[in-house]
Amino acid sequence: GAVVSQHPSRVICKSGTSVKIECRSLDFQATTMFWYRQFPKKSLMLMATSNEGSKATYEQGVEKDKFLINHASLTLSTLTVTSAHPEDSSFYICSAREGPAWAKNIQYFGAGTRLSVL
Amino acid sequence: AQTVTQSQPEMSVQEAETVTLSCTYDTSESNYYLFWYKQPPSRQMILVIRQEAYKQQNATENRFSVNFQKAAKSFSLKISDSQLGDTAMYFCAFMNNNAGNMLTFGGGTRLMVKP
Repeated sequence: GAVVSQHPSRVICKSGTSVKIECRSLDFQATTMFWYRQFPKKSLMLMATSNEGSKATYEQGVEKDKFLINHASLTLSTLTVTSAHPEDSSFYICSAREGPAWAKNIQYFGAGTRLSVL
Repeated sequence: AQTVTQSQPEMSVQEAETVTLSCTYDTSESNYYLFWYKQPPSRQMILVIRQEAYKQQNATENRFSVNFQKAAKSFSLKISDSQLGDTAMYFCAFMNNNAGNMLTFGGGTRLMVKP
């Protein structure tokens, strides 16, 4: 099956620093990747949709200047949490959709990144 | 906008027994997909089963099957012969095929399989 790799799995940083999270599709090309945030014992909330070669589409209430998304290739999307603060501490998960929209509609998920901001 | 509701925050089942997890959704769309994802303690999201709305036949994957009632907008998951490894959070999800293939998740059901 399709594999999505997400790194790092855990990061602890000081308040005010920036953190970059990578999401890679290992055995397929992902024209679209998605970034989610999950609070403890809660569901996944979509933050943004990342399309290769274009600007990300952010969900309402998500600060695009705080959460920078870059999708420079068909296998890599990055999420940068800029000037992180304790309230940004959370579990971040990426997913990737294989191929064009008409071909498949399955999202494959990375293992997630636990961010702790001190 | 779509909404997905899972009315059972927690459930438990004895090993080898059968359990059904409920999911209802609300949409005005006709072209969509429904999914059940499993999130074990490792927190890795794993696709359990997928259903196309235009298909009347219920999807099945080994011990997992769904009861898809399109008119009632209901999409329940049945797990047969429950195993300890089935212990996880289960999320029902909706995908509008005409809206960027975004997933809308339900609140989740925590399933505990007891030995």
